[in-house]
Amino acid sequence: AQKITQTQPGMFVQEKEAVTLDCTYDTSDQSYGLFWYKQPSSGEMIFLIYQGSYDEQNATEGRYSLNFQKARKSANLVISASQLGDSAMYFCAMREGQAAGNKLTFGGGTRVLVKP
Amino acid sequence: DGGITQSPKYLFRKEGQNVTLSCEQNLNHDAMYWYRQDPGQGLRLIYYSQIVNDFQKGDIAEGYSVSREKKESFPLTVTSAQKNPTAFYLCASSIGGGTLSSQHFGDGTRLSIL
Repeated sequence: AQKITQTQPGMFVQEKEAVTLDCTYDTSDQSYGLFWYKQPSSGEMIFLIYQGSYDEQNATEGRYSLNFQKARKSANLVISASQLGDSAMYFCAMREGQAAGNKLTFGGGTRVLVKP
Repeated sequence: DGGITQSPKYLFRKEGQNVTLSCEQNLNHDAMYWYRQDPGQGLRLIYYSQIVNDFQKGDIAEGYSVSREKKESFPLTVTSAQKNPTAFYLCASSIGGGTLSSQHFGDGTRLSIL
């Protein structure tokens, strides 16, 4: 079974508009971490934002915010005021606890293309 | 500047040949990881190491080997047993293995078969 599911393979967004990237996860752990990474065409993975399973408030980092709905096992990324440089692949990832080896599991990614 | 250095950036392998990808970090991180990424797909974990002289298999370890003799270094060998090695390989590190630790990535190595 997929542990991280990103249902949107690709999205277009108009410059200066907001976009929401979906991510659902599956775990039986109580303690886990959720991450979003950006991968431009050059290939490097850029850490964007983190949400801990015990965090009551949604994480925010500049134009990035994470809409964390624990009961629904959902951790959507919201990018506000999109810029042309936001065009990239975006990956949601989950880190479970020691029983799972503290490994990071990635979703399949969503490609975002920002239109001028 | 602190970071993770992967070399080479591009690597070509002949049939039946072993090749080694280098990963060095100067972040003083305990944990290091190797991932494989195929075109248009997410990352899959090959091997990881949480401390020196110890490492564990990830989800797709067959055909690969690693060593962790120094904290700073975690080389990955793609052996001839890996029948489809063409992919983008990413190395990462984190402070520890806990759930709060984000991973920092190198710039990757693209491996192709000649």
